[in-house]
Amino acid sequence: NAGVTQTPKFQVLKTGQSMTLQCAQDMNHNSMYWYRQDPGMGLRLIYYSASEGTTDKGEVPNGYNVSRLNKREFSLRLESAAPSQTSVYFCASTRQGGYTDTQYFGPGTRLTVL
Amino acid sequence: GNSVTQMEGPVTLSEEAFLTINCTYTATGYPSLFWYVQYPGEGLQLLLKATKADDKGSNKGFEATYRKETTSFHLEKGSVQVSDSAVYFCALKSSNSGYALNFGKGTSLLVTP
Repeated sequence: NAGVTQTPKFQVLKTGQSMTLQCAQDMNHNSMYWYRQDPGMGLRLIYYSASEGTTDKGEVPNGYNVSRLNKREFSLRLESAAPSQTSVYFCASTRQGGYTDTQYFGPGTRLTVL
Repeated sequence: GNSVTQMEGPVTLSEEAFLTINCTYTATGYPSLFWYVQYPGEGLQLLLKATKADDKGSNKGFEATYRKETTSFHLEKGSVQVSDSAVYFCALKSSNSGYALNFGKGTSLLVTP
């Protein structure tokens, strides 16, 4: 199993450009999440999908949109990138949600917006 | 709301030293508690977890006990190795936001030979 995969690994954008970050998992997990990691801030939740066909906002959703394309894939879109969106983005998945299930993380996408 | 507070880093230790990284939390209800580790350039990996009060999570020589009375989940290891150098994140999970994780800010650990 590859686990959680993310593409691309690195990306540089100019202000105002758009892009989509891809995430896929092969563990048949129901719930998927997007987090961003900034220095000194830990990880913060952007959006999540509790199950196929549903998406909800997290702590910092402004400037982002998501699509749960199918059970495996959960993409994050920046419509008009801003320097404040320079960050490392992590996708995660978990079998069912719930208190005890472990979340598995992808390797991350390092995004720089100039 | 839910929050996690962990000690500021960086923490620098000599090999074979004793490690403690403090973590306290604020949450409604009965969250599950986790420690994740991030090695340089990589994603986060689960280190250990505890799902109810007085549970002890352990893995690779690391331990943490879920203390409801002090709302704490401190990470300990008796003898650290150079390979333990990484960033450690304490996190809690509650029913908010689809059981997403609330993370502390992370503690960087450097172990020197």
